[in-house]
Amino acid sequence: DAKTTQPPSMDCAEGRAANLPCNHSTISGNEYVYWYRQIHSQGPQYIIHGLKNNETNEMASLIITEDRKSSTLILPHATLRDTAVYYCIVLQNQGGKLIFGQGTELSVKP
Amino acid sequence: ETGVTQSPTHLIKTRGQQVTLRCSSQSGHNTVSWYQQALGQGPQFIFQYYREEENGRGNFPPRFSGLQFPNYSSELNVNALELDDSALYLCASSLGSGLSYEQYFGPGTRLTVT
Repeated sequence: DAKTTQPPSMDCAEGRAANLPCNHSTISGNEYVYWYRQIHSQGPQYIIHGLKNNETNEMASLIITEDRKSSTLILPHATLRDTAVYYCIVLQNQGGKLIFGQGTELSVKP
Repeated sequence: ETGVTQSPTHLIKTRGQQVTLRCSSQSGHNTVSWYQQALGQGPQFIFQYYREEENGRGNFPPRFSGLQFPNYSSELNVNALELDDSALYLCASSLGSGLSYEQYFGPGTRLTVT
């Protein structure tokens, strides 16, 4: 199973871009990189996913390196409501089960 | 809001009892996955149901069982409750079970076993 490594915590000033890194050096060629976040006491929320190309949606951008061994989630203008635990997940081949690690606790400060 | 609902929101049970948790998937979704989240930990995959059949299982004992109905709603049953079963139980629905389908989570059921 491909594993991910994320920093346990990060701070970001409100209005600035938050760049959350993730290492997944053992990722297989057909495994997707997914990002979810979990605001305290709520269910995880899907943010974005990608395979090889960079992706952007209304919430965030996902930058995947060419060798696919790492990725960065970018929240372009962080707000206080973006304070959450962010999980980088490499999706399993069978059944699409999500394997959550410890994630990165992002604190957005005024 | 994801459109995934779970009931009940909170539950207190005694060790040795049995519990049933319920999940209604988002409209059009045929796949439901269940996760257990202990305090301070990331969610752990229990199992997934795709079109009423179990489609993958995590490292949980057989006393954790599930069911998916023709309308794709789902139940999680836990028998012989143990203190360590105290956790937030999350269900997630998706359009399919493949690699590219994002999962949408409900708010969870908080189970306390005393």
